[in-house]
Amino acid sequence: GAVVSQHPSRVICKSGTSVKIECRSLDFQATTMFWYRQFPKKSLMLMATSNEGSKATYEQGVEKDKFLINHASLTLSTLTVTSAHPEDSSFYICSARDLGGDASYEQYFGPGTRLTVT
Amino acid sequence: GQNIDQPTEMTATEGAIVQINCTYQTSGFNGLFWYQQHAGEAPTFLSYNVLDGLEEKGRFSSFLSRSKGYSYLLLKELQMKDSASYLCAVRARTGANNLFFGTGTRLTVIP
Repeated sequence: GAVVSQHPSRVICKSGTSVKIECRSLDFQATTMFWYRQFPKKSLMLMATSNEGSKATYEQGVEKDKFLINHASLTLSTLTVTSAHPEDSSFYICSARDLGGDASYEQYFGPGTRLTVT
Repeated sequence: GQNIDQPTEMTATEGAIVQINCTYQTSGFNGLFWYQQHAGEAPTFLSYNVLDGLEEKGRFSSFLSRSKGYSYLLLKELQMKDSASYLCAVRARTGANNLFFGTGTRLTVIP
């Protein structure tokens, strides 16, 4: 089956620093990737849709200057949390859509990245 | 906009059957998904419904009624490993076909 990886799986950073999270589709091409955020014991909240070769589409309430998204190739999207604050601590999950996939199975999720800002 | 509701928590006994309900209101509907998520892990796909009716896959079944904005996930012969969160997600009829998730139902299976 389709595999999506994320790196790093866990990261601890200090307030004010920036952190980059990578999302890769390993065995398929993805023109569209999605970034989600999940607070403890809560469901996934869609942050933005990452489109290869164009600007990301952000959901209402998500600051595009704080959460920078770059989708430079058909297999890689990155999320950079800039000037991180403790309230940015969360579980970040990406998913990717398989270009050639059946519509019913089109999104595959990465294993997530646990960000802790101290 | 999207509004998707599920019970927050449920408890069931090993070997029993449990039904997890999901109601939704969306501005455009293009399919409903159920995912299983263990703590600290990514969601894994369980089922997909786009037409009314029941989809069965082993111990898991999912039902959809588009006119009622209602779905349920049925888990049979519960096992301890089924303790997890179950996420209902609706795919919007937008350019990107985004998934919008419900709050998730945390299921605890007890002996």
